[in-house]
Amino acid sequence: DAGITQSPRHKVTETGTPVTLRCHQTENHRYMYWYRQDPGHGLRLIHYSYGVKDTDKGEVSDGYSVSRSKTEDFLLTLESATSSQTSVYFCAIRDRTAQTAFFGQGTRLTVV
Amino acid sequence: DQQVKQNSPSLSVQEGRISILNCDYTNSMFDYFLWYKKYPAEGPTFLISISSIKDKNEDGRFTVFLNKSAKHLSLHIVPSQPGDSAVYFCAARGETSGSRLTFGEGTQLTVNP
Repeated sequence: DAGITQSPRHKVTETGTPVTLRCHQTENHRYMYWYRQDPGHGLRLIHYSYGVKDTDKGEVSDGYSVSRSKTEDFLLTLESATSSQTSVYFCAIRDRTAQTAFFGQGTRLTVV
Repeated sequence: DQQVKQNSPSLSVQEGRISILNCDYTNSMFDYFLWYKKYPAEGPTFLISISSIKDKNEDGRFTVFLNKSAKHLSLHIVPSQPGDSAVYFCAARGETSGSRLTFGEGTQLTVNP
């Protein structure tokens, strides 16, 4: 267990509502990532952070924003949820010198 | 464009035999490759990795081979066990900001008793 907690683990929301997913780490790792997993696409990077208040876009960032005000927390916000954002979302963390990233348990989000 | 591809969505093998999972990539700037294993309702867990300066890395029953000229890597599991049944993701790390990982689509491995 790499000390990553995602919340909530499951959420159902309506189209057009804002949603925030939280990733919390206890490892003090510098890098944090948000991925989504969809059948046939594997894991695709949404946004990542390389330090407090330092974030950048990944390959599927449209419709998502992130914030990192503390080392331990990385928030993913869907400004106005759409059905295409129904997915399983994974947070990952990586230490600056490490080669591997460690993943959380995931959040299953359903937009109806 | 898909920079990391796993062309086999599924693979089925008998217990005790070898499982070979394949992965192709297009970006020659990738410098590190990893395999992750994922069980249902869990997050991916790191399995084994290889640097681009090597051609083989072994860890117990798991061996990863890298063929840079072909831009191809493979994961060998010998002998395969029913507990190895999972989705396996190939990932590659580039020299970009954040050293983020690019993943393939995944291969569902089923090991039959």
